[in-house]
Amino acid sequence: GAVVSQHPSWVICKSGTSVKIECRSLDFQATTMFWYRQFPKQSLMLMATSNEGSKATYEQGVEKDKFLINHASLTLSTLTVTSAHPEDSSFYICSARRTGLGEQYFGPGTRLTVT
Amino acid sequence: AQRVTQPEKLLSVFKGAPVELKCNYSYSGSPELFWYVQYSRQRLQLLLRHISRESIKGFTADLNKGETSFHLKKPFAQEEDSAMYYCALSSQGGSEKLVFGKGTKLTVNP
Repeated sequence: GAVVSQHPSWVICKSGTSVKIECRSLDFQATTMFWYRQFPKQSLMLMATSNEGSKATYEQGVEKDKFLINHASLTLSTLTVTSAHPEDSSFYICSARRTGLGEQYFGPGTRLTVT
Repeated sequence: AQRVTQPEKLLSVFKGAPVELKCNYSYSGSPELFWYVQYSRQRLQLLLRHISRESIKGFTADLNKGETSFHLKKPFAQEEDSAMYYCALSSQGGSEKLVFGKGTKLTVNP
């Protein structure tokens, strides 16, 4: 149990376009989901906390208008990178916290390449 | 401010040798501490958390509040333990967002 999926696993897009990444908790409900960014050979950096039915909480330095987060249901959160630029190329990872418990389960990540 | 420090970027040991991955934290309240592991080409997965006091895959970690440390230990390393290990902290009862250390790459040589 406690499986988190991400779609797509890899996406290439042109500069200026928008890309949507989905994060789903497959077999549990997640009131809270988290979005991280991981640069090559570096640690995960939290971008935002996504709460079902409310606005996301962004970490300092993360542009909320650029990284749009929607958490419309207890099993789905989406991250949309708007007007993507090459510097947005990275590995984006989501995690989901099972409602009522503290443990987070991680998705496999989405590699975004902006050309 | 919450901060997690893993002083060793790389750690290499021989199979059967003891291994200790260091983690120190900075937090003013009562934190929850975790160790996550990421095997090659796999997702991040929870290895253990301090409140459960479990031993997973032979690994243990004790929270030392006096030294603000949560070092990960295993008495006899195995080749399959080779992976990236991340120490993480979250606030109890808060938003439970995780703050990660930079990670330690463990290589267990045959």
